[in-house]
Amino acid sequence: EAGVAQSPRYKIIEKRQSVAFWCNPISGHATLYWYQQILGQGPKLLIQFQNNGVVDDSQLPKDRFSAERLKGVDSTLKIQPAKLEDSAVYLCASSKLAEQFFGPGTRLTVL
Amino acid sequence: AQTVTQSQPEMSVQEAETVTLSCTYDTSESDYYLFWYKQPPSRQMILVIRQEAYKQQNATENRFSVNFQKAAKSFSLKISDSQLGDAAMYFCAEAYNNNDMRFGAGTRLTVKP
Repeated sequence: EAGVAQSPRYKIIEKRQSVAFWCNPISGHATLYWYQQILGQGPKLLIQFQNNGVVDDSQLPKDRFSAERLKGVDSTLKIQPAKLEDSAVYLCASSKLAEQFFGPGTRLTVL
Repeated sequence: AQTVTQSQPEMSVQEAETVTLSCTYDTSESDYYLFWYKQPPSRQMILVIRQEAYKQQNATENRFSVNFQKAAKSFSLKISDSQLGDAAMYFCAEAYNNNDMRFGAGTRLTVKP
């Protein structure tokens, strides 16, 4: 069974630029999550999808972050414009029941 | 709101010895799940072990076991016969069903040969 795929693995941008991350969950997993993991901290949930609907986006900074999962499979997370404090690893996870499976993450560096 | 606390930022263990990582949590739910995840330097999060709150029996997975104290809201992870490959960040997490998983700040485990 293929795992959660994410791309790119690394991204370096200047502040105020835009960036997008892509996630392909495990086949058949209805629930998809995006987390932000700042260095030295645990992951923080940004948004949770159930199929193509949003379940929880209470911690998503909506003035600059957006996410979509149009067909209930792949998802993209966008930041525009980026700030220095957005430097982090962005993790995607998917689940069918209670266990979440994580992708390798995208390390974002904002200069 | 849920909070998960890992009071040990770093732990060290000698190879083949046993180490226990601490975790406490705070939730108002009566039915929830608890997890320990391992994150090696490659940063892929891997599930180590999970516990359903309604189960009284402590979960065990090979060398990994938990001590789940529901009344005390404590969920510690014991690693027996530690191996070099166990070195990683370990995160405790709590979730109500599939929703709102909250992670602790993590414990960095070093295994000394």
